[in-house]
Parts: sequence; structure tokens; C-alpha cells
Amino acid sequence: SQKIEQNSEALNIQEGKTATLTCNYTNYSPAYLQWYRQDPGRGPVFLLLIRENEKEKRKERLKVTFDTTLKQSLFHITASQPADSATYLCALHFKRQLTFGSGTQLTVLP
Amino acid sequence: DAGVIQSPRHEVTEMGQEVTLRCKPISGHNSLFWYRQTMMRGLELLIYFNNNVPIDDSGMPEDRFSAKMPNASFSTLKIQPSEPRDSAVYFCASSFLLEDQPQHFGDGTRLSIL
Repeated sequence: SQKIEQNSEALNIQEGKTATLTCNYTNYSPAYLQWYRQDPGRGPVFLLLIRENEKEKRKERLKVTFDTTLKQSLFHITASQPADSATYLCALHFKRQLTFGSGTQLTVLP
Repeated sequence: DAGVIQSPRHEVTEMGQEVTLRCKPISGHNSLFWYRQTMMRGLELLIYFNNNVPIDDSGMPEDRFSAKMPNASFSTLKIQPSEPRDSAVYFCASSFLLEDQPQHFGDGTRLSIL
């Protein structure tokens, strides 16, 4: 069966460090992969989209990689700040739908 | 530009009652999605519409759930009769039809069935 796994439920890091979140999938061949941020009591907010023929995408302090051989995407936040604390969701585009992972709760400690 | 608007933000009702959740998508978007989020199952797609037509409702848990989109600016998700296990946060999202477009989410309706 198809499965999406995000590396851990919670990740704590020190301010200024780089946070790395992992999204692994099985039995999918997604054309696109998206990352969203969700704050408590709010809906997910789109951050980045990466296509299967792209290895890397950057936006300000954010970087996403997509390895279709490993079936894995990595999401990096450089120079992390307490304001980056949130839950981050990966989502795979497959059969005209988005399927979401369970998310990783990131806490950036001051 | 206004985002996706959902109402109500919170709903508490007794088991057996009918519940109606409402969504106004972003103007110009032609795809609309209803999701349910719980701690146990995460964010699950219930149903989605393209140009007001339901395309895939395979995520709707059972016949007690129904969704409509009478026009491009309004959609409802109805649960009748409601049960305690329906308690969750329900999100509506909209996007353009093209597959590589992001989805824009509302802030959800937190539903509690007592």
C-alpha cells in the first residue's frame, strides 16, 4: 500500500542552526511534491513545490530536495528562528490529488 | 485578496444532530477540496470538486457525509446524523485546476460531537 512517512513527530533545534526534515514515500510515483507549514489553530500554508525532474528548489532560507530514486524529500531551514516553530507537512501529488504526511513538529529554541 | 473562508470556526453539538460546514473558496479557483484532520489519521482528503462537479468522493467515510457545490463561490459539507467519532477539524482548500498549483486552505472548523 502507499505510504508517506515524515522522519519524526517532533524535532527540537537551537536557534541559528539548520533544521532538516525528512519525507519518505513508498509505492508512489509523484509528479510533484509540496511542503506546507501549519500553525496551531490554522490551516496549512503552502511553502514550496518541487517537480520530479528538479533536484533542488530554494526560497529565502528554505531549501527542498527531491530524490526519486531514494523516494525521499529533504526540507531544510537555515539560520532557524523561534518564529519557524510550527508543524511542517509534506504532500505528494498523485492521481490529481494531494496526499499528506502526518507532519513534523519543529521547535526552535532561543 | 480574501483567502478561503470557512464557517463556523467552532461547532459543538450533540450526537444525532445534523451538522453543516460551509466554505467560500478563493475567487477564480476552480478546484475545491474538503479535508478532515485528526491526531490519529492526520490530514485526509474527503472529496474534491472541479468546476463545481464532484470528481472523487472515495474519502467520504460513509453515507452520513455529503458535500455539495451549487456554484463556484460556495460549498457545504453535511453530516447527518453526527456521531462522536466525527469530531475533528475540517478544512476546505481551493486551487487552480492545474496540477502543479498549491492549495490554499481555510482555517478550518473544529467540530465536537458530544
